[in-house]
Amino acid sequence: EVQLVESGGGLVKPGGSLRLSCSASGFTFSSYYMNWVRQAPGRGLEWVSAISSSSSYIYYADSVKGRFTISRDNAKNSLYLQMNSLRAEDTAVYYCARDGSVTSPFYWYFDLWGRGTLVTVSS
Amino acid sequence: SYELTQPPSVSVSPGQTARITCSGDALSKQYAYWYQQKAGQAPVVVIYKDSERPSGIPERFSGSSSGTTVTLTISGVQAEDEADYYCQSADSSGSYRVFGGGTKLTVL
Repeated sequence: EVQLVESGGGLVKPGGSLRLSCSASGFTFSSYYMNWVRQAPGRGLEWVSAISSSSSYIYYADSVKGRFTISRDNAKNSLYLQMNSLRAEDTAVYYCARDGSVTSPFYWYFDLWGRGTLVTVSS
Repeated sequence: SYELTQPPSVSVSPGQTARITCSGDALSKQYAYWYQQKAGQAPVVVIYKDSERPSGIPERFSGSSSGTTVTLTISGVQAEDEADYYCQSADSSGSYRVFGGGTKLTVL
């Protein structure tokens, strides 16, 4: 079955760190750009970060640049998000999402999503 | 960076046509994508590349584009279509992706 499963969420104090993981199965993980997208409680979707298939290209939203680090291990079919210096406004469900195209021309959208993992930043 | 603007809410009766707009300067140059998110679930793409429909998405979902505005049209709305809908786009290199604020579709 083609799926993405996130893990690693939880309660953390402001200024703390957390590492999210996303396990992929049912498709050739190493061929796809991958992303993290988050959704604060009762709010809309916000793209957080993207990483190319070979990790050559990495992008961040301005809101997390310098605090979050995206990475992947293609041998383990896994995507990660290291989150440091966490703030209350980082509280959200974090989704792992696959890019919608595997070859050029690339279309920058998300065709497969996980169910998300909740991160709560609170003292 | 750029922004995408959607109406916060749209209401229609069952069987009617719902139209949800999304506007932004980037849409005249880049494709738009639409996602449906039902309560407590992950988003699902319902339209990609302005007007293409993924397999498994009902034919009543369609998309169109004109200048800096794209429109998601749901013909013959059903109760099960009640959800939040988000438009999304990106710059040409994929280095920046953006979502609209979302539109809550209510089926009366």
